[in-house]
Amino acid sequence: DAGITQSPRHKVTETGTPVTLRCHQTENHRYMYWYRQDPGHGLRLIHYSYGVKDTDKGEVSDGYSVSRSKTEDFLLTLESATSSQTSVYFCAISEGVYSNQPQHFGDGTRLSIL
Amino acid sequence: GQNIDQPTEMTATEGAIVQINCTYQTSGFNGLFWYQQHAGEAPTFLSYNVLDGLEEKGRFSSFLSRSKGYSYLLLKELQMKDSASYLCAVRDGDYKLSFGAGTTVTVRA
Repeated sequence: DAGITQSPRHKVTETGTPVTLRCHQTENHRYMYWYRQDPGHGLRLIHYSYGVKDTDKGEVSDGYSVSRSKTEDFLLTLESATSSQTSVYFCAISEGVYSNQPQHFGDGTRLSIL
Repeated sequence: GQNIDQPTEMTATEGAIVQINCTYQTSGFNGLFWYQQHAGEAPTFLSYNVLDGLEEKGRFSSFLSRSKGYSYLLLKELQMKDSASYLCAVRDGDYKLSFGAGTTVTVRA
């Protein structure tokens, strides 16, 4: 199994509060990704990173920011959480983006915004 | 944007064969992936196709036709543990993955 740890695994918070989710990897992979998964939508890319301090936006980046100060950690922050951000959040890592290098996923964080 | 379609649900009997179709329209193509996701768990990588044709891995096979924008995942000798959601994902021209909404397969005894 890919060495990916997401924390927390579950969180319930209130609208307007800041929330930070952490993804930690032990594989020394260059690429890291944050997705959200909602019924009927599948996995949608929020932000991704292609190296330390190198990040870019995905399909649904509004309301989210990320930071990567070390190879092993990729943080996702909701500055002011809204109920529409209630979702399951998955972190993924990949060694590269070419050839048959797949993304491997963490166990997810179930986030509820009340 | 990207458009990836797959059926929402399929049901089959233990020991049977099920074929999950995926059609896609993306800006660029750099490979197609299939993932398996059990309820409440992380997606796990099953297969990868970048050239036309069939890739076989034990009970699972995946087919790709780039000219038709079409792939399928074939699950043979179905077992109860195969009950899961199967996700089709396309790596686009920017090397990002776009996912379909997933097909939930239910295996009945």
